[in-house]
Amino acid sequence: DVVMTQSPLSLPVTPGQPASISCWSSQSLVNSDGSTDLNWFQQRPGQSPRRLIYKVSRRDSGVPDRFSGSGSGTDFTLRIGRVEAEDVGIYYCMQGTHWPHTFGQGTKLEIK
Amino acid sequence: EVQLVESGGGRVQPGGSLRLSCAASGFPFRSYWMHWVRQVPGQGLVWVARINEDGSFTTNMDSVKGRFTISRDNARNTLYLQMNRLRADDTAVYYCVSFGRQWLLSYWGQGTLVTVSS
Repeated sequence: DVVMTQSPLSLPVTPGQPASISCWSSQSLVNSDGSTDLNWFQQRPGQSPRRLIYKVSRRDSGVPDRFSGSGSGTDFTLRIGRVEAEDVGIYYCMQGTHWPHTFGQGTKLEIK
Repeated sequence: EVQLVESGGGRVQPGGSLRLSCAASGFPFRSYWMHWVRQVPGQGLVWVARINEDGSFTTNMDSVKGRFTISRDNARNTLYLQMNRLRADDTAVYYCVSFGRQWLLSYWGQGTLVTVSS
């Protein structure tokens, strides 16, 4: 199975400051057609996961533009331009290239 | 409005069975792969099973092979997960999920809690 590793696992952030989460995969996530199925999810307390980013860098509908994704191959990053109180939750990367699809262990973002 | 509504969760003894259902609406259910993903309370997310558009192809995670069966009824817009020989480590919230075609969408249900305990 492809192992997804995130860092950091805990991320205290002052409101208005930027934040960054890294994610590494144990195998390349590039598909045969050249696309890369790397997704980022946010899970607020008591809620179902909500996807923020798909195909490395595409924002889902309704996601604020302060969220951005980047990376290629096996190394990926989620950036939050200016953290707001509503961004509290756990963030997961997830690969959809290989079966079984796998998630990272999660990064808990909290407000300082 | 897209809705995925899971039902069928509850408490069951080890070795018992449950069938989860997921009623879908607001999107072309029969056109998309469907998935079950689970989450042990307070822990991370794990894929359980997936099924293609017409139900002819399914795959499960290794730990549920031979015990869980994913299926669908496109006439009823409903996804199922038959869970047999349940174990304590199957205790989790089970989510019904669709990602549209080629991961271009993301729809999640509210989840249903399965507790396996004597």
